[in-house]
Amino acid sequence: AQKITQTQPGMFVQEKEAVTLDCTYDTSDQSYGLFWYKQPSSGEMIFLIYQGSYDEQNATEGRYSLNFQKARKSANLVISASQLGDSAMYFCAMREDYMDSNYQLIWGAGTKLIIKP
Amino acid sequence: DGGITQSPKYLFRKEGQNVTLSCEQNLNHDAMYWYRQDPGQGLRLIYYSQIVNDFQKGDIAEGYSVSREKKESFPLTVTSAQKNPTAFYLCASSSSGSPHNEQFFGPGTRLTVL
Repeated sequence: AQKITQTQPGMFVQEKEAVTLDCTYDTSDQSYGLFWYKQPSSGEMIFLIYQGSYDEQNATEGRYSLNFQKARKSANLVISASQLGDSAMYFCAMREDYMDSNYQLIWGAGTKLIIKP
Repeated sequence: DGGITQSPKYLFRKEGQNVTLSCEQNLNHDAMYWYRQDPGQGLRLIYYSQIVNDFQKGDIAEGYSVSREKKESFPLTVTSAQKNPTAFYLCASSSSGSPHNEQFFGPGTRLTVL
């Protein structure tokens, strides 16, 4: 079964608009972490933002924020005031914090975001 | 500058040959990882290492081998037993000392089998 689901294979957004990238996850653990990474066409994965399962507030990092709805098991990435440089693949990933998995990430298939000028 | 380097950036291999992909980090991270990425897909874990001289198989370890003789280095060998090795390979590292134990990535190696 898919543990991380990103339902939007691709999105087109007008520059300066806000964009929401969807991510739903599946876990029976109480302690876990959720990550978003950006992958430009160059290929390198860039860490954007993290949300812990016990964090009471939604994470924010500059123009990035995470809309964390624990009961719905969703962790959507919101990019405010999109820029042309935001065009990239975006991946959602989860780390389940039981002992043996403390180092492994489970990855979604990604969403390709294209910002239109 | 601290970071992760991978070499080469592009690699071409003939069928039946073993090739080794290099990954070096100067971040003093304990854990290192190798991922494979196929077009339009997410990352799949090949191997990971939490400490020197120790490593574990990930989800798709068949046809691959690794070593971790030094903290800074985690080379990946793609053997002839790997039936479909053409892919983009990413190396990463992490430290429990980082705020979220997030993984940091190298620029990747694109392997093509001719």
